[in-house]
Amino acid sequence: DIVMTQTPLSLPVTPGQPASISCKSSQSLLHSDGKTYLYWYLQRPGQPPQLLISELSNRFSGVPDRFSGSGAGTDFTLKISRVEAEDVGVYYCMQSIQRPPTFGQGTKVEIK
Amino acid sequence: QMQLVESGGGVVQPGGSLRLSCGASGFTFSRHDIHWLRQAPGKGLEWVAFIGYDGRKKRYADSVKGRFSISRDNSKDTLHLEMNSLRAEDTAVYYCAKNDPPDYWGQGTLVIVSS
Repeated sequence: DIVMTQTPLSLPVTPGQPASISCKSSQSLLHSDGKTYLYWYLQRPGQPPQLLISELSNRFSGVPDRFSGSGAGTDFTLKISRVEAEDVGVYYCMQSIQRPPTFGQGTKVEIK
Repeated sequence: QMQLVESGGGVVQPGGSLRLSCGASGFTFSRHDIHWLRQAPGKGLEWVAFIGYDGRKKRYADSVKGRFSISRDNSKDTLHLEMNSLRAEDTAVYYCAKNDPPDYWGQGTLVIVSS
């Protein structure tokens, strides 16, 4: 199985400031079709996960443009340009280039 | 409004069985692949099983293969997860989620395997 490793595991943030989460995969997530099968989810407290970013950098419907995804091959980053209070929760990266789909351990974002 | 509602969770003894259901509304259920995923208390996310939109393609995590069975009834907009030979490590909130990869998740149902 592909191992997904996130850093940091805990991220205290200040509202209005940027934040960044790293995700590394044990194998390349670049498919021969040119797509990178890397996804980002946010799980707010007491809620199910919600999809933020699909295929490396495509914001899902309704996701604010302060969220952006980038990277290539095995190294990926989720950036929040200006953190808001509603952004607290646990962020997960996930790969789906190979079955089974696997998740990172999660990064807990909390307000300082 | 799109909804996925899981049910059937509860407390079961090790070795026991449970059947989870996921009811869908607000979208054309028969056109969408569906996953089951789970989250142990205080832990991360784990994919469990997948079923294609027409029920023909099924996939399972190694950890549940041979014990769990996924099925769907498109005439009733319902997904099921039959869980047998349950173990303590199966204790988790179980979510159904539509599309591949999952883009919309239900609220989940809690399964506790304990004597």
